[in-house]
Amino acid sequence: KNQVEQSPQSLIILEGKNCTLQCNYTVSPFSNLRWYKQDTGRGPVSLTIMTFSENTKSNGRYTATLDADTKQSSLHITASQLSDSASYICVVSGQQAGTALIFGKGTTLSVSS
Amino acid sequence: NAGVTQTPKFRVLKTGQSMTLLCAQDMNHEYMYWYRQDPGMGLRLIHYSVGEGTTAKGEVPDGYNVSRLKKQNFLLGLESAAPSQTSVYFCASRSQNTDTQYFGPGTRLTVL
Repeated sequence: KNQVEQSPQSLIILEGKNCTLQCNYTVSPFSNLRWYKQDTGRGPVSLTIMTFSENTKSNGRYTATLDADTKQSSLHITASQLSDSASYICVVSGQQAGTALIFGKGTTLSVSS
Repeated sequence: NAGVTQTPKFRVLKTGQSMTLLCAQDMNHEYMYWYRQDPGMGLRLIHYSVGEGTTAKGEVPDGYNVSRLKKQNFLLGLESAAPSQTSVYFCASRSQNTDTQYFGPGTRLTVL
């Protein structure tokens, strides 16, 4: 069964600190992996997208890594800010035509001052 | 350019009532989607459309119907609402040239 598992479920860090979120998936065949940020009460917004041939992708203070062999991805947030408080969702796409997105349950990050 | 918009933002229904959620996008996207998001679960696909006049079932289609009469609009209908349909509903769209989906702000629906 195609699954996307994220850890930890929730995380609290101090402003200015770094953190890493994990995503493991069993989706096969694999097309690409995305990380979305979802602020409370808002829709998800895409942060990064990586195909199986890409190992790392950055978007400002966000850096995503992908190991297609072990089916693992991580999202590293550098120098966290209060505005980083949100849910981070890992989304994996299979190679079926159209719509085969498998969503993780998300990691809820809280950045405190 | 408003992106993806959803109406209404909030709604409370009684069991058995019907309603329609409207999604509109102004990006000329071919693909449109309806998801529901429940606590402790990832987003789940209800129905989707790959073009005007076409719709298809997703992972959790039961109890919902959809229509795509115009390219820019995707309607989600609940004919007889049930408490199990209490959820936050998200619409998304994407171009056929990219995999990135753009999400609306969501509709919070409560069925009593």
